[in-house]
Amino acid sequence: SQQGEEDPQALSIQEGENATMNCSYKTSINNLQWYRQNSGRGLVHLILIRSNEREKHSGRLRVTLDTSKKSSSLLITASRAADTASYFCATDSWRDDKIIFGKGTRLHILP
Amino acid sequence: DTGVSQDPRHKITKRGQNVTFRCDPISEHNRLYWYRQTLGQGPEFLTYFQNEAQLEKSRLLSDRFSAERPKGSFSTLEIQRTEQGDSAMYLCASSPLVRVQETQYFGPGTRLLVL
Repeated sequence: SQQGEEDPQALSIQEGENATMNCSYKTSINNLQWYRQNSGRGLVHLILIRSNEREKHSGRLRVTLDTSKKSSSLLITASRAADTASYFCATDSWRDDKIIFGKGTRLHILP
Repeated sequence: DTGVSQDPRHKITKRGQNVTFRCDPISEHNRLYWYRQTLGQGPEFLTYFQNEAQLEKSRLLSDRFSAERPKGSFSTLEIQRTEQGDSAMYLCASSPLVRVQETQYFGPGTRLLVL
């Protein structure tokens, strides 16, 4: 089963613009992570935010977490062609010793 | 390269054949995970190991699937009597920590096509 639900499913923006992706989940979490996957390859970890954190930054990435709404957002600023990929949120909880991935957002950066 | 490696990268087989995939995790990572990913979906958890112990198996893992990690290092995933529905990307990941989930490091995956 998949816990997270990313929105939108697909997103196309011009290079240089900001990209925002959202993730909603159903049950209480311990951590929420975002991963990137280039076409046909493995996943690369981007950022982890804990349930007691509200915002985190890493380079051009900004992640927010709202546990009251059970949602998170990933913002990529000043997008580049190399950002074209699928982005997945993944959650884990105290009850369960594994992480659950959403279906992902496919991001396409237009030149 | 000291990342997670998987072999083979691609496998084409005929329905009914057995296939085996190998995953070499990052050295000294206690945990090793197997996922399956179909087109347009996120990775779905199959099973994981802590050292050589297999701690959890998903309901997705039918009796035709078996995974081992005999010495707590590399792992194998075997699918017996493959079916067309087994066609997917099989991803392996490892994690250095023993407690509740932190970052997982993924391999490049093995893409399986069952004809």
